[in-house]
Amino acid sequence: EVQLVESGGGLVQPGGSLRLSCAASGFTFSSYSMNWVRQAPGKGLEWVSYISSSSSTIYYADSVKGRFTISRDNAKNSLYLQMNSLRDEDTAVYYCARDLRIAVAGTGGYWGQGTLVTVSS
Amino acid sequence: EIVLTQSPATLSLSPGERATLSCRASQSVSSYLAWYQQKPGQAPRLLIYDASNRATGIPARFSGSGSGTDFTLTISSLEPEDFAVYYCQQRSNWPRITFGPGTKVDIK
Repeated sequence: EVQLVESGGGLVQPGGSLRLSCAASGFTFSSYSMNWVRQAPGKGLEWVSYISSSSSTIYYADSVKGRFTISRDNAKNSLYLQMNSLRDEDTAVYYCARDLRIAVAGTGGYWGQGTLVTVSS
Repeated sequence: EIVLTQSPATLSLSPGERATLSCRASQSVSSYLAWYQQKPGQAPRLLIYDASNRATGIPARFSGSGSGTDFTLTISSLEPEDFAVYYCQQRSNWPRITFGPGTKVDIK
């Protein structure tokens, strides 16, 4: 069974930093590209970042480019999101999502339960 | 950016009724459209990918259709567990994937 478990969320002041983690199990992590998607309270879904299976290709939404860094450790079956210079508008539940199919990006086949990041003074 | 518009914003129906949800793209996305279901406090769940393919474990009462700019998610007979918010999402412009604003299906 595919499982994705996020951690690392919490309350942080504007301008602060936070590192999210996503622990994967139940599939060959090193074969799949991964994503972070966020959802502000009471709002819709927003794609944040993508990383290919080998980390060779990385993309970010314009709203986080230059502030967030996605990475992965295939030996540890883990995905990360380093978030710096956090703003109020970054407040959201952050989900890690596995692409549905190997080598086919863009469809979130499996999702974690999410971790809440609150940016507030 | 490809903008997805979903209608209606809210659909009030009774169990057993048929639900028809619409998603319209600002430009053609071919068949690169997915549908997700989200219940309160839960993560989204993939229902349909590439416009008409049901994801693993999704009941046959869920079906997707359309191509280009106009897409439909149909729930043939609503079960109590189907009352939720439904989002469409395009990957045609990957990595600039975008989601629609959602349609809430609630109990009449």
